[in-house]
Amino acid sequence: DAKTTQPNSMESNEEEPVHLPCNHSTISGTDYIHWYRQLPSQGPEYVIHGLTSNVNNRMASLAIAEDRKSSTLILHRATLRDAAVYYCILRDLNDMRFGAGTRLTVKP
Amino acid sequence: ETGVTQSPTHLIKTRGQQVTLRCSSQSGHNTVSWYQQALGQGPQFIFQYYREEENGRGNFPPRFSGLQFPNYSSELNVNALELDDSALYLCASRLRQGPNTGELFFGEGSRLTVL
Repeated sequence: DAKTTQPNSMESNEEEPVHLPCNHSTISGTDYIHWYRQLPSQGPEYVIHGLTSNVNNRMASLAIAEDRKSSTLILHRATLRDAAVYYCILRDLNDMRFGAGTRLTVKP
Repeated sequence: ETGVTQSPTHLIKTRGQQVTLRCSSQSGHNTVSWYQQALGQGPQFIFQYYREEENGRGNFPPRFSGLQFPNYSSELNVNALELDDSALYLCASRLRQGPNTGELFFGEGSRLTVL
């Protein structure tokens, strides 16, 4: 199984950008890179996904390395509501396998 | 609000009992998957159903079983409960239109405690 490696925790100040890294050195050519986040006492929610090119949406940006062995989720201006566990996942055909994720703390 | 609802939200069972958890998928979604999330860990994939057939399974024993109904609602059944089955069980639905497609929409989960 392709696996991802993320830091256990990160801290950010409110209204500053946050870069959440993810390593996935065993990624296959057909794996999509997905990011989900889980706010306290809620189920995970979709953030963004990509295959090869960088992606932007209203929530975040995803920067994918040229060799696809790593990626970075970018929150442009962190808010207190962004405090959550962020999961970087390689999407297989029939399932989505979560790792332990990165717990992001946002300080006012 | 994702449109995915799970019931019950909390329940307590004793070791050896059986439990059924229910999930109502978001309207129009044809694929449902179930996850187990132990305290402090990421969700672990149990299995996935597409058009009422299981088409993917994680590393869980056969006493974890499921059903998907024609209206795309689903159930997770766990027999012979063990203490380690205590966890948050998450249901997620999506519209599968091809490989690797479809954002997952999660419910808020059913928290099972096994005593």
